Amino acid sequence: SAVISQKPSRDICQRGTSLTIQCQVDSQVTMMFWYRQQPGQSLTLIATANQGSEATYESGFVIDKFPISRPNLTFSTLTVSNMSPEDSSIYLCSVVPGLAGETYEQYFGPGTRLTVT
Amino acid sequence: QKEVEQNSGPLSVPEGAIASLNCTYSDRGSQSFFWYRQYSGKSPELIMFIYSNGDKEDGRFTAQLNKASQYVSLLIRDSQPSDSATYLCALRTRNAGNMLTFGGGTRLMVKP
Repeated sequence: SAVISQKPSRDICQRGTSLTIQCQVDSQVTMMFWYRQQPGQSLTLIATANQGSEATYESGFVIDKFPISRPNLTFSTLTVSNMSPEDSSIYLCSVVPGLAGETYEQYFGPGTRLTVT
Repeated sequence: QKEVEQNSGPLSVPEGAIASLNCTYSDRGSQSFFWYRQYSGKSPELIMFIYSNGDKEDGRFTAQLNKASQYVSLLIRDSQPSDSATYLCALRTRNAGNMLTFGGGTRLMVKP
């Protein structure tokens, strides 16, 4: 597996502002993802963070709202822009350990609990 | 029809019993199957994965996969109160790279 950390662990933000969430992995990984988990719901994939290129967004998620950076193989950021109360969720970073696609198991970071007031 | 279906529960079992959690899926191209445990307020923790038909055992956990019938299950033997959590089924399909599709989760309650 991999050790994944996220910052901040939680935040309370005002509507209209933006929050950047950081994800750090203790080893180099090719595959890194960002998920959202709304209260009482399951996980929904926001995007795949691609190193050296633009992120790949899932249906319903756009770059202007959720810009993602992936400057290297151990780090990524997700920004939640122009927040509204509907963005209140847990945001989770996940990775598939390794570089060459030898495995498919995904591991999750501890999450960032965001509340928008 | 949802891609991955789970009974939301709660599934209540007495301590020491076998808990059986089930998951059905619609995409026959699904190749890899995962069970995650999520405690309230925590992130999902991978506890089992299975890629081939049949059973796979790891300690008190057994994953069972039947691709012909399109279901995967998780058995927890000798259930403990500490097993009380939401269990999420997830799968990866051939054409989706490493993207996982999650079910809604089943809440398990193990009563002392």
